Amino acid sequence: SQELEQSPQSLIVQEGKNLTINCTSSKTLYGLYWYKQKYGEGLIFLMMLQKGGEEKSHEKITAKLDEKKQQSSLHITASQPSHAGIYLCGAPLGSARQLTFGSGTQLTVLP
Amino acid sequence: GAVVSQHPSRVICKSGTSVKIECRSLDFQATTMFWYRQFPKQSLMLMATSNEGSKATYEQGVEKDKFLINHASLTLSTLTVTSAHPEDSSFYICSARDSPYVRGDVETQYFGPGTRLLVL
Repeated sequence: SQELEQSPQSLIVQEGKNLTINCTSSKTLYGLYWYKQKYGEGLIFLMMLQKGGEEKSHEKITAKLDEKKQQSSLHITASQPSHAGIYLCGAPLGSARQLTFGSGTQLTVLP
Repeated sequence: GAVVSQHPSRVICKSGTSVKIECRSLDFQATTMFWYRQFPKQSLMLMATSNEGSKATYEQGVEKDKFLINHASLTLSTLTVTSAHPEDSSFYICSARDSPYVRGDVETQYFGPGTRLLVL
């Protein structure tokens, strides 16, 4: 099984709707990153969470880290077509703190 | 924020040839760089960790003789795919960290824009 599980794998929502993507780790989380990617392109850094209970927001995207549950959630409010893409969570789970990534969530926002 | 570049962005080569991909940190010194591979509709898979001045550490299942990594300076790491075959076609992404690993810290990693390799 994967060390970082993301759910759902894909999500199709109507423009204006809220949505949540979850990322659960099988190991202790010392931090967690959220990235957005368009297929075939590089990763766009969204935010980094370092402490349990931490919550960060950027425009209409909010992410929280629940250290006890070893999970993080990414919430988008009033989604827009520009939010479409692949969302990836990554955590420094390796011995050298190299990032391990979740399987990704493909988000489609219908106009 | 810090910038990491990759060159080339796209490369097409014939089977059996070698291809070199460069990863540069443009405005910081990267003691550690990472190389990832991404297949269509899949997530990023770590291939190796590249440390300046020392040998790279490869993940299980990654052939070190096929994927040669050189991190000769604090701003440049190269990945050479030797004797490339069609199954090596993939999207290769590097990332760079600007501080040494310290237990308990979460360092920021900056990703390059990726290199798409197509082996015919």
